[in-house]
This record gives sequence, structure tokens and C-alpha cells, in this order.
Amino acid sequence: SAVISQKPSRDICQRGTSLTIQCQVDSQVTMMFWYRQQPGQSLTLIATANQGSEATYESGFVIDKFPISRPNLTFSTLTVSNMSPEDSSIYLCSVDRENTGELFFGEGSRLTVL
Amino acid sequence: DAKTTQPPSMDCAEGRAANLPCNHSTISGNEYVYWYRQIHSQGPQYIIHGLKNNETNEMASLIITEDRKSSTLILPHATLRDTAVYYCIARGAYSNYQLIWGAGTKLIIKP
Repeated sequence: SAVISQKPSRDICQRGTSLTIQCQVDSQVTMMFWYRQQPGQSLTLIATANQGSEATYESGFVIDKFPISRPNLTFSTLTVSNMSPEDSSIYLCSVDRENTGELFFGEGSRLTVL
Repeated sequence: DAKTTQPPSMDCAEGRAANLPCNHSTISGNEYVYWYRQIHSQGPQYIIHGLKNNETNEMASLIITEDRKSSTLILPHATLRDTAVYYCIARGAYSNYQLIWGAGTKLIIKP
């Protein structure tokens, strides 16, 4: 298994501001994934973050809104920019440590935008 | 990746086996069936996956029909802590990670 730590675990933010979520993994991994889970909904992949290259965004998600950093093989950040109440969600960091399709998830960052 | 369909909710008595069905009638030959669960306010947790053969680990058993169009996740002795949303996902071995997360099955274990 993999130990994944996310910060903050939850936050309440004002409309128009930005929040950066951190994800720390206890071992080196090639790919890290960022998911969004809107209230009462299932998970949606935002982007895949590879170390040393630009993140790959899924349809409906853009870099200006969700910039991602991946400075090394154990760490990544996701920024939610210019937030609106529609961005209120749980944001989850995930890794496939052994490239088996078996994903490990952090506990998530619960964001509420007022 | 093939779409999966699951019942929205199920109940099971504590100590009994919980059998969670999943239909994946459009699954292709190289797509695996993965099961995850999400306990309230936590990140999803991997349970098990399989391609053709039945699989068993310390958490559960996965039974895949011979035609691979459906599968059943079995929690042999359900406990209250198994109350969660269970997701069945079909994914190709070399596809990207845009797993199609459906609505899942809300499993409630009752005392």
C-alpha cells in the first residue's frame, strides 16, 4: 500500500480566492492523479501529473483553473483558482504505486466556497 | 472503458455475506474489473480486481461470470465497518486513468 497525506483536510474559502492543496506520498511514484468529488457524486479525474512534464488535463478541466505542480516524485500540488461555490468539492490525490491499476487515495481535501 | 451498472443501494445483516452485483455487458477482452469502496468522509479504498478468473484476497472475493458480462463482489462476513459506497469499474490494462466511476452501490450493514 501507499501512504498519502493531503493538506488541508478541509477549508472554507471566499469566492474569488485561490487555494493550493498539497499531496505527499511516502514513496516515489511516476504518476499522480487529482480527482474531484462533488457533493453526493462520484469521482471525476481532473488531471494526471507526471514529474518533469506538464500535467495532462481531462476534458472539462483547464490549467488556468486547476494549475498543478509536480516538483519531485513524492509531491504534487493542485491549485483551485478564482473559486466559486461550484468548486465546493472533495479533491483527492491518488497514485498507482505499482502500475497495476490499483489506485491508492489520500483522505481528500474538503473545500467549501462561500 | 466499459460502462458498469450497479444497484443504488443494498442492505445486509451483520455477520452475513454481502453480495454486490455489477453488470458490465460491454466489457472487452482486455478490460479488468476493479472494485473500490468509499467509507463516508474517506478516500476510496482498493478492494480487488480480476480479468477472467475468480479472485480472493483478505478483504473479499470476486466472482466473474464466464461470459464476463457481470461480476459479484462478496464480503464473506460483513461488519458494520463495511458500510460504504462500493464502486465497480471496468478498465483496460493499458488505458489511461480516466476510470469511469459510476454512482456505485451504497451498502448498509445492519446490526
